[in-house]
Amino acid sequence: DTAVSQTPKYLVTQMGNDKSIKCEQNLGHDTMYWYKQDSKKFLKIMFSYNNKELIINETVPNRFSPKSPDKAHLNLHINSLELGDSAVYFCASSPTTGGVEAFFGQGTRLTVV
Amino acid sequence: AQSVTQLGSHVSVSEGALVLLRCNYSSSVPPYLFWYVQYPNQGLQLLLKYTSAATLVKGINGFEAEFKKSETSFHLTKPSAHMSDAAEYFCAVSVHTGGFKTIFGAGTRLFVKA
Repeated sequence: DTAVSQTPKYLVTQMGNDKSIKCEQNLGHDTMYWYKQDSKKFLKIMFSYNNKELIINETVPNRFSPKSPDKAHLNLHINSLELGDSAVYFCASSPTTGGVEAFFGQGTRLTVV
Repeated sequence: AQSVTQLGSHVSVSEGALVLLRCNYSSSVPPYLFWYVQYPNQGLQLLLKYTSAATLVKGINGFEAEFKKSETSFHLTKPSAHMSDAAEYFCAVSVHTGGFKTIFGAGTRLFVKA
């Protein structure tokens, strides 16, 4: 069973479009995250949710809107896509307890053309 | 503020040689530290973690890391490199700022030569 699953794995779209990436975890974790990995492999946290509540928002353009319908799901909606949004987006989850690692999904490679 | 610095964006070793990937951290409180590995087109997989127990931490695939508070370091080592170790390695620190978040270093690409 996949612990953290993201869909789709690949997404190619035109500038100006709106797209969503879905994420689900079956680990029973309370906290979920979205990370962006750029072409240089740098990983940067975008958002963190705890029990459906937004707790971390790292200076992300408001074109990006996360939505957590329940604590097992954290979706990412992106409006008016730009070329610079092209990256790999990773969803992750962890328990609330400190010192426990985050579990990552396989990533969604977004290409904006 | 907490941060992680990985020295060397690329490291190349011969098969069978020692692997040493360097990581230094900055933290105002005792840190939780991690090493992750990322194989091409895959997500991140935990190699090992330090959570204030033993300073020498053993992980999967023969990797280990030593937490040295005096040097603020958490270097990753493996005595003998294997071709399958070629991947991107990330050092990370977990911080609590209203919720726990993991901050990653820039990554080190490990190449293993036959």
